[in-house]
Amino acid sequence: DAKTTQPNSMESNEEEPVHLPCNHSTISGTDYIHWYRQLPSQGPEYVIHGLTSNVNNRMASLAIAEDRKSSTLILHRATLRDAAVYYCILMYNNNDMRFGAGTRLTVKP
Amino acid sequence: DGGITQSPKYLFRKEGQNVTLSCEQNLNHDAMYWYRQDPGQGLRLIYYSQIVNDFQKGDIAEGYSVSREKKESFPLTVTSAQKNPTAFYLCASSQGYAGYTFGSGTRLTVV
Repeated sequence: DAKTTQPNSMESNEEEPVHLPCNHSTISGTDYIHWYRQLPSQGPEYVIHGLTSNVNNRMASLAIAEDRKSSTLILHRATLRDAAVYYCILMYNNNDMRFGAGTRLTVKP
Repeated sequence: DGGITQSPKYLFRKEGQNVTLSCEQNLNHDAMYWYRQDPGQGLRLIYYSQIVNDFQKGDIAEGYSVSREKKESFPLTVTSAQKNPTAFYLCASSQGYAGYTFGSGTRLTVV
C-alpha cells in the first residue's frame, strides 16, 4: 500500500519558488518525513527530513502540517538543475524506507 | 571523501547466469540496502541489512541473494531464478534517522 501520495508531475519556471505537496494521512507518531530527489541515471540524493517542526537547509525547506497528514517541499528559487523526480517518503521504522513513484519536476527557462 | 561505491556501472549477463553486483561503503554506516528501479518507476526494496551477518527480505527478494560478512560490503547476487533481471540497481546505506546515502547504481542488461 502506498504510504504517501504525490502528484505525478509539476512544472515550474526558472528562478520561481516551487511547492511540492505530499499527503500521508496514515502517518504514525514516530514516522519521519523524508524527501529525496533523483536525476536521470543517478542514485537518489537526500534533500531534507523532519518529524513535526518545519525544517530548513541549504537545499530546501520542509513545511509540515500541524496534524502531520501532509507536507510540502519548498524550493525557494528553482534552477534548471532542480529538474528531477522528487520522492516523499515515510520512514516508519529505523531502517526500512519504501519509495513511491514521486513527482517529476520540470523547470522551464 | 566518504561514500558508496557500486561496481560495475554497466553489466551484461547471459540468460541463465548468476551475476554479483558490488557495493562498498566507507561511511561506517550500520545499515545497507539494495533497490531495483525499472524505467519510469520508483525504487523497490530487494534486501536490507541492519547489522553484520544479518539481513532481511524486502518486497521483491525472489531471485536475489545477499551477504553481509563485513560492515563495509553488501554484495547482491542476481540468480538465474530472477525472471526479468534487466534493471537499474541501487545500493544505499544509513545510520539512524539521518537519511540514506545512495551509490551511483549498476545498470544490468540480460542479453
